[in-house]
Amino acid sequence: EVQLVQSGAEVKKPGESLRISCKGSGYSFTNYWISWVRQMPGKGLEWMGRIDPTDSYTNYSPSFQGHVTFSTDKSISTAYLQWSSLKASDTAMYYCARHPTTGITQEFDYWGQGTLVTVSS
Amino acid sequence: EIVLTQSPGTLSLSPGERATLSCRASQSVSSSYLAWYQQKPGQAPRLLIYGAFTRATGIPDRFSGSGSGTDFTLTISRLEPEDFAVYYCQHYGSSFTFGPGTKVDIK
Repeated sequence: EVQLVQSGAEVKKPGESLRISCKGSGYSFTNYWISWVRQMPGKGLEWMGRIDPTDSYTNYSPSFQGHVTFSTDKSISTAYLQWSSLKASDTAMYYCARHPTTGITQEFDYWGQGTLVTVSS
Repeated sequence: EIVLTQSPGTLSLSPGERATLSCRASQSVSSSYLAWYQQKPGQAPRLLIYGAFTRATGIPDRFSGSGSGTDFTLTISRLEPEDFAVYYCQHYGSSFTFGPGTKVDIK
């Protein structure tokens, strides 16, 4: 069974750093990109960017470039989303999702359950 | 960058009725690169349709996708109680864009 399991909810203060994780199982981790998607409270879905677990090649959405960092550890089939200095505006639910590294279609066929990040002083 | 617009913002219908959701792209896109997702409160999105027309694994046949160019449609032939949710269209390519969503709620 394919699963993406994300780390638990986090409460942080502005300026703090954070890394959340997304562990894949039930499939070949390096055959699929991992994308990260933000959903602010009561709002829609925003694509943040993607990472290829094979070589850690990344594409960042311009809206998130420079503010977040993606990484992976393919030995444990885990992707990470990291902030070095959180802002209150980073408060949101963050999802990881997989999509194929090859082929025409790039649909997000499996999603993690989401990690709620709350940033408040 | 391709911008997706969805209409209506909210669709109020009764169980058993037909739902027609629209997704319009700011420029012509390949139908191979258009997907639809369903999101229920407190849950992650779920893939419904990809390649504009193809149902994902396990998706009931009351869900269907159509369209081409700049105009795409998700149709739910007969609404079941579990179909009341928010629906997003997505374009994928070198970048990925979601529409703002259509909420289907109970009339």
